[in-house]
Amino acid sequence: GEDVEQSLFLSVREGDSSVINCTYTDSSSTYLYWYKQEPGAGLQLLTYIFSNMDMKQDQRLTVLLNKKDKHLSLRIADTQTGDSAIYFCAESPGSSNTGKLIFGQGTTLQVKP
Amino acid sequence: GAVVSQHPSRVICKSGTSVKIECRSLDFQATTMFWYRQFPKQSLMLMATSNEGSKATYEQGVEKDKFLINHASLTLSTLTVTSAHPEDSSFYICSGTSQETQYFGPGTRLLVL
Repeated sequence: GEDVEQSLFLSVREGDSSVINCTYTDSSSTYLYWYKQEPGAGLQLLTYIFSNMDMKQDQRLTVLLNKKDKHLSLRIADTQTGDSAIYFCAESPGSSNTGKLIFGQGTTLQVKP
Repeated sequence: GAVVSQHPSRVICKSGTSVKIECRSLDFQATTMFWYRQFPKQSLMLMATSNEGSKATYEQGVEKDKFLINHASLTLSTLTVTSAHPEDSSFYICSGTSQETQYFGPGTRLLVL
């Protein structure tokens, strides 16, 4: 079945880079997403990548996709205390984008000053 | 990006009562909306797909008679938790699709006493 796995916790110092990893099972997924959730709030779309891409960069964010290993990562450069949040990886299963998303458990990023 | 609102943001109710949660797409039309549920420190679980003008599609294990979904217009979907019990207490989040991207509402926190 469809499954998305993430490590649960990551702690970094302010100014360092953060790398959050994710693995998924549906090889036909067309889109893969990264969302950010701050305490008590909804989800904010950070970035997404098409399955035919290897990398996507957007300012401080870099997404790497290894389709062979079904591995996705999010790198945040120059991590700030405001980046502290829960980060969810999500896949859109199947070859057509129905809008249905399967989420990982979320990685709590703690940024220490 | 597109904006999705939810109302109310927080609700407390007594066991046995029904609660309605509204999800609105403010600047786009959404033929399909999705309802998710999130338990504390856990991931989002898709409950159902809300289709404008037709019946909702429920995920396995979700009781359709308990979680009533109505999608009467292209900008509004409602989720009614009927005969609520304390175990229904959770964070409910909706999303809508705009230009192949999912946009999430801020969530509704439901507490059933």
